[in-house]
Amino acid sequence: EIVLTQSPATLSLSPGERATLSCRASQSVRSNLAWYQQKPGQAPRLIIYDASNRATGIPARFSGSGSGTDFTLTISSLEPEDFAVYYCHQRFSWPLPFGPGTKVDF
Amino acid sequence: EVQLVESGGGLVQPGGSLRLSCAASGFTFSRYWMTWVRQAPGKGLEWVANIKGDGSEKYYVDSVKGRFTISRDNAKNSLYLHMNSLRVEDTAVYSCAREVNYYEGGGTYADSWGQGILVTVSS
Repeated sequence: EIVLTQSPATLSLSPGERATLSCRASQSVRSNLAWYQQKPGQAPRLIIYDASNRATGIPARFSGSGSGTDFTLTISSLEPEDFAVYYCHQRFSWPLPFGPGTKVDF
Repeated sequence: EVQLVESGGGLVQPGGSLRLSCAASGFTFSRYWMTWVRQAPGKGLEWVANIKGDGSEKYYVDSVKGRFTISRDNAKNSLYLHMNSLRVEDTAVYSCAREVNYYEGGGTYADSWGQGILVTVSS
């Protein structure tokens, strides 16, 4: 069973700053990895699929990279609406765990 | 517009059963994998189960195998999660989601989600 770890657990930044979030898989998931954003009381929102592809309607300030076991989500310049929890999710093999999440806050 | 609406949650005693439903609209339901994800209060997301469009493949997280059953009725555009032998640790908001395959040979990803329904397991 594949295990995902995310770092850091919390990222304290200000609007306009660059955010770099990491996700590591216990074994290769090739490029079958997604990133989701979740705000309090809201459903998750797909940000990145297949490690580096932006989902529909996602601004260009969001980018994903990586393959195999190491992945990165980068937000080039934080907007106020980007402060949320971000989860990675592997889609390579069942079961399909999420990572524990990274909270991006002020 | 894709819409997913969960129902059937509530309070149940340990050892009890519930059936969650997810009513889908705005897309051709039978063409899509569907998934259930849960989130315990104050915790992260946990994938629970998913099912292929024609119902021929189903997968579960280990902690619910043998207790939960995912199913679908494509004629009714509905997804279900039958939950038996419920435990306190099953307490969570359960959400259904549609999975999209963006290109041939690629993975499937949950692109549309319901708002979720609370299941509380407590005596």
